[in-house]
Amino acid sequence: GNSVTQMEGPVTLSEEAFLTINCTYTATGYPSLFWYVQYPGEGLQLLLKATKADDKGSNKGFEATYRKETTSFHLEKGSVQVSDSAVYFCALITGNQFYFGTGTSLTVIP
Amino acid sequence: DAGVIQSPRHEVTEMGQEVTLRCKPISGHNSLFWYRQTMMRGLELLIYFNNNVPIDDSGMPEDRFSAKMPNASFSTLKIQPSEPRDSAVYFCASSLGTSVRDTQYFGPGTRLTVL
Repeated sequence: GNSVTQMEGPVTLSEEAFLTINCTYTATGYPSLFWYVQYPGEGLQLLLKATKADDKGSNKGFEATYRKETTSFHLEKGSVQVSDSAVYFCALITGNQFYFGTGTSLTVIP
Repeated sequence: DAGVIQSPRHEVTEMGQEVTLRCKPISGHNSLFWYRQTMMRGLELLIYFNNNVPIDDSGMPEDRFSAKMPNASFSTLKIQPSEPRDSAVYFCASSLGTSVRDTQYFGPGTRLTVL
């Protein structure tokens, strides 16, 4: 079946540290891959996406590359800020079905 | 510009009562999605509409759940009768296109507590 597996949190980092949040997937067909971010008390916002193998999505200093060979879509940022504290969700769409990971909570401390 | 609007933001009710959650999508958007978020199950897609027509309701957990979209600017998610296990945050999202792959814009959510 189709599924998304994210690294479990919570993750706590100091400001300016390097961030990696792992995401791997299982899917039939040719999925599109997404990262969403949820700030406290708000709904999800699309952070970045990639629609085919080897595509790199990027936004606000975050990047993720669609790796078909390893079925991964890891989220990275070179230098996190306190304002990046949020919950991050990896997701895939295949056909008309949407699958979300369980979310990874990130806290960045000054 | 107004984003997706959901009401109420918080709802506390007793088991057995009917609950109605409301959503106003972004004007001009053609698709609307209802999600449920819980600690145990994460974020789940319940149902989505294209041009006011339900396309896929396979995520609706039981017959106690129903969703309607009488026009392009309004949708409801109803739970009747409600149960404690329905306690969750319910999100509504809308997108401009009719594909689930289009960017979705989420509302702030309704936190439902069923006692």
